[in-house]
Amino acid sequence: GEDVEQSLFLSVREGDSSVINCTYTDSSSTYLYWYKQEPGAGLQLLTYIFSNMDMKQDQRLTVLLNKKDKHLSLRIADTQTGDSAIYFCAETTPGGSYIPTFGRGTSLIVHP
Amino acid sequence: DGGITQSPKYLFRKEGQNVTLSCEQNLNHDAMYWYRQDPGQGLRLIYYSQIVNDFQKGDIAEGYSVSREKKESFPLTVTSAQKNPTAFYLCASSIPSTRTGNYGYTFGSGTRLTVV
Repeated sequence: GEDVEQSLFLSVREGDSSVINCTYTDSSSTYLYWYKQEPGAGLQLLTYIFSNMDMKQDQRLTVLLNKKDKHLSLRIADTQTGDSAIYFCAETTPGGSYIPTFGRGTSLIVHP
Repeated sequence: DGGITQSPKYLFRKEGQNVTLSCEQNLNHDAMYWYRQDPGQGLRLIYYSQIVNDFQKGDIAEGYSVSREKKESFPLTVTSAQKNPTAFYLCASSIPSTRTGNYGYTFGSGTRLTVV
């Protein structure tokens, strides 16, 4: 089965908050990441969180980590149409040579 | 400005032909990676290299080959043995975790390969 799971789609209205969720299976995960991919482009690192942190905030982005439940979320406040993209969750573990395992990505669709 | 350049952006290949995708970085990163992206399947690791003149197979290496003769360059050859090569190919680079602990990647803008 997948090591990192995400729902495939999320639709929100412009101005609302978006919450994209991710679950992972490896309890030894050290870093967890959120990447953004716009159509026809590569991935852009949005933010990351170290496993000893519960929360990280960066402007409109808030990352929450629940280590007990192995659950990671990305909240985007005041979502804009320019936030429409695919968002990938990824995690690294020491045993995997720190090669990230990526989820399948969540397509965020923002309606005007 | 530093970054990763992939070329070409679009590539068409006839069945039975080999084709090479270029990836160049000027970030002074030691590690480089090739991923394949198919719709709804996320990213799958093809090959990676953590140092010059060394590379490792990823999860789906069959039908692909790479070389790492220079730190800046990590070209990917899609051979005729790859049965379903039509996909979006992404190159990435990073500083190895042994030096920083944070293994975030910088990605190129991708090459879309289509077999005709």
